Amino acid sequence: ETGVTQTPRHLVMGMTNKKSLKCEQHLGHNAMYWYKQSAKKPLELMFVYNFKEQTENNSVPSRFSPECPNSSHLFLHLHTLQPEDSALYLCASSQGRSNEQFFGPGTRLTVL
Amino acid sequence: DQQVKQNSPSLSVQEGRISILNCDYTNSMFDYFLWYKKYPAEGPTFLISISSIKDKNEDGRFTVFLNKSAKHLSLHIVPSQPGDSAVYFCAATGSARQLTFGSGTQLTVLP
Repeated sequence: ETGVTQTPRHLVMGMTNKKSLKCEQHLGHNAMYWYKQSAKKPLELMFVYNFKEQTENNSVPSRFSPECPNSSHLFLHLHTLQPEDSALYLCASSQGRSNEQFFGPGTRLTVL
Repeated sequence: DQQVKQNSPSLSVQEGRISILNCDYTNSMFDYFLWYKKYPAEGPTFLISISSIKDKNEDGRFTVFLNKSAKHLSLHIVPSQPGDSAVYFCAATGSARQLTFGSGTQLTVLP
């Protein structure tokens, strides 16, 4: 595997379900990010981890819970989501807080 | 309020002609600007960037122009090729090194 990978690629869940999104980067980077992209909207930064420590939380509801066990892996735990949370969730990584971020292919989430 | 705006959701260009994608920003603290390209079912990929100390950066068929006084940047692709058809995102960053993205422009290059 190379670059940034995300699983699953597609996820359909009910509002009472608990699920997790996984991201793995094979680039040796030490910063990882979660973004949300809703239809026709800009990418919205959700969380930033630098050296496994969360450095940013952009007012994200607590039903989204990130976890970064090491510099290569990032999870987004989902619990009691709302239909408006349906979106493309993108993971990215970078070397430190450099400008250039490398993105995974995203997880297309649908909340019923 | 969006700090980075791409006012054209879509653009169609004939193969071989020039594509010009535009982006405006409002935050004068932004000092670095990037363009990302996104194909369906893939994540955005970095294309080209420019620092605020420059007004032009060129990489092959791609050139980015920055007009700081107008808070405007543009991406020129010449000649355009059908493989350039994708969504193009403009992004900006300041000292916090967080990327702020525009909403994207869908470019279609017609053969």
